[in-house]
Amino acid sequence: QSALTQPASVSGSPGQSITISCTGTSSDVGGYNYVSWYQQHPGKAPKLMIYEVSNRPSGVSNRFSGSKSGNTASLTISGLQAEDEADYYCSSYTSSSTLGVVFGGGTKLTVL
Amino acid sequence: QVTLKESGPVLVKPTETLTLTCTVSGFSLSNARMGVSWIRQPPGKALEWLAHIFSNDEKSYSTSLKSRLTISKDTSKSQVVLTMTNMDPVDTATYYCARIVAGTLQPDYWGQGTLVTVSS
Repeated sequence: QSALTQPASVSGSPGQSITISCTGTSSDVGGYNYVSWYQQHPGKAPKLMIYEVSNRPSGVSNRFSGSKSGNTASLTISGLQAEDEADYYCSSYTSSSTLGVVFGGGTKLTVL
Repeated sequence: QVTLKESGPVLVKPTETLTLTCTVSGFSLSNARMGVSWIRQPPGKALEWLAHIFSNDEKSYSTSLKSRLTISKDTSKSQVVLTMTNMDPVDTATYYCARIVAGTLQPDYWGQGTLVTVSS
């Protein structure tokens, strides 16, 4: 399975909003509403932030939101805070070659 | 409270077989709505899905690694085991197990990960 495409890095100042894109194909992002987003701080395991495109797990700040249009999913973080600085990964159900999961290449968010 | 914990060797030699165990609690491996995936992350690189297994023993493997992977479970011990044959230095990574949701296959809870180094 080919990885989903994410920008390598994004940055923003505290209080601003940023959006991270995740582009796939009709066999993954575009074909199913099974896209998740994970936050990973250095040396830590990934943490689920968004599931099924736009749903937040209990305990995740409402500053995090997700959406999808065609083959591209997006994560938006509003009101940036220093603690948001981390790597972010998208993932999607995929039906290409084998039923499984495909991840994005990851995006490093820097809070200036 | 859902928890997963990986265990296995820290260091393996090239050509050896890696065996990792994921011990879960807070949910049952007999739950039809839940499964377990193995995912790895080489140092400084992205996440890579490896394999998953469900209660009915349904399994799926990454196409690129399928010939080297075997996933199995022992429901009575709440354990999922992954074996990877013919280890190579490029397989050096942190290996995570994660609970996944049937239908979506998306991980929701992750273990802390275990770093496996392949070196002679």
